[in-house]
Amino acid sequence: IVLTQSPGTLSLSPGERATLSCRASHIFSSSYLAWYQQKPGQAPRLLIYGASSRATGIPDRFSGSGSGTDFTLTISRLEPEDFAVYYCQQYGFSPPGITFGQGTRLEIK
Amino acid sequence: QLQLHESGPGLVKPSETLSLTCSVSGGSISSSDHFWGWVRQPAGKGLEWIGTIYYSGTTYYNPSLKSRVTIAVDASKNQFSLKVNSVTAADTAMYYCARQVAGSGWYGDYWGQGTLVTVSS
Repeated sequence: IVLTQSPGTLSLSPGERATLSCRASHIFSSSYLAWYQQKPGQAPRLLIYGASSRATGIPDRFSGSGSGTDFTLTISRLEPEDFAVYYCQQYGFSPPGITFGQGTRLEIK
Repeated sequence: QLQLHESGPGLVKPSETLSLTCSVSGGSISSSDHFWGWVRQPAGKGLEWIGTIYYSGTTYYNPSLKSRVTIAVDASKNQFSLKVNSVTAADTAMYYCARQVAGSGWYGDYWGQGTLVTVSS
């Protein structure tokens, strides 16, 4: 399964709403979709798993949704610390393994 | 608090073998609820899954790397390792180890800080 994230770069201002898309080449269970945030010089940080469950300690301004082939990460009101690169990740069964999207860069406008 | 720490040479010569170790502290690598994986990231590029291992030793590899990669676990040391054979400049990247949750899409809930490996003569 290939994951395509859009847009490649998203330019927004603090306080605005961000909507990031992750589209899969084939249908798969939403149970196996995760989102990560990565800041420069840091490891990825898990935000969302199972398409819509927030990881421990993640603020509720982050939310995930979607099913089938289309998934969305929404940040309701951007804080300065939210500007980073975001990746979606999918788990596949045949053969077992994971795939990442190419990432969306969220930059300050 | 679980912590993962990657270690190994930062410089590897072309055609040689890249070897890294991930040391796990604050938790057991023998957990039945988790897998342990390696992910890499070339500078300025995206994340690439390399492979994953269960404490029993069962391994899963990215098909694009499978012929050159070996992942092993040493439960007695609470460590797992990565070897990549016949490296080229294309293997230059930041290498991360991560704990992956079993039964839930192998999402990585804990990550090491990463170690930079450069392939150069």
